[in-house]
Amino acid sequence: AQTVTQSQPEMSVQEAETVTLSCTYDTSESDYYLFWYKQPPSRQMILVIRQEAYKQQNATENRFSVNFQKAAKSFSLKISDSQLGDAAMYFCAYRSGYSNSGYALNFGKGTSLLVTP
Amino acid sequence: GAVVSQHPSRVICKSGTSVKIECRSLDFQATTMFWYRQFPKKSLMLMATSNEGSKATYEQGVEKDKFLINHASLTLSTLTVTSAHPEDSSFYICSARAPGQGVQETQYFGPGTRLLVL
Repeated sequence: AQTVTQSQPEMSVQEAETVTLSCTYDTSESDYYLFWYKQPPSRQMILVIRQEAYKQQNATENRFSVNFQKAAKSFSLKISDSQLGDAAMYFCAYRSGYSNSGYALNFGKGTSLLVTP
Repeated sequence: GAVVSQHPSRVICKSGTSVKIECRSLDFQATTMFWYRQFPKKSLMLMATSNEGSKATYEQGVEKDKFLINHASLTLSTLTVTSAHPEDSSFYICSARAPGQGVQETQYFGPGTRLLVL
């Protein structure tokens, strides 16, 4: 079974600064996808960014980018120019590329991000 | 983007009663829907995978007779918590899979249902 580990239960960043959230995963599969989801106090899950394992290029979405290190099985999220609205729980997630997995997401325990003015 | 709704958003019930939660994909057809459970300040735990027209696949440790899942159409899946007890109190979230190619396939999440069993 695949495991996703987020070793930082809480992180804090000042507004306009940059913060990096860590995520490592364990898998023996070659076809998989990685995601970062944001869960604000409303508890609505919001997709932040996604990465295909077969792509070497790191995904970016505006102020959000990832550092995907496939050999190290690491998938960190960098948030640049942090804003107050970025405060939320952030979950790293793994999805198998194989149909027998059912395509369910496997989540890490989450990192609570606090943004201070 | 695609929208997934859940109803009700919150429900309070007495111990021993059954509660039904609906998950609907509003503007796309979802062949697969997923049900998750989330305790306060914890991660999402997959309970079951629901495929339209077939029986749900439950994760280890999830009682299928306790948590009944019906995926009767391509836009609706229901989770019924039967004979609810206080330990079933939790936040239940559904997601719907919009089939695509590779990472373009996306799961869209509902807003969740907060269940409190007294």
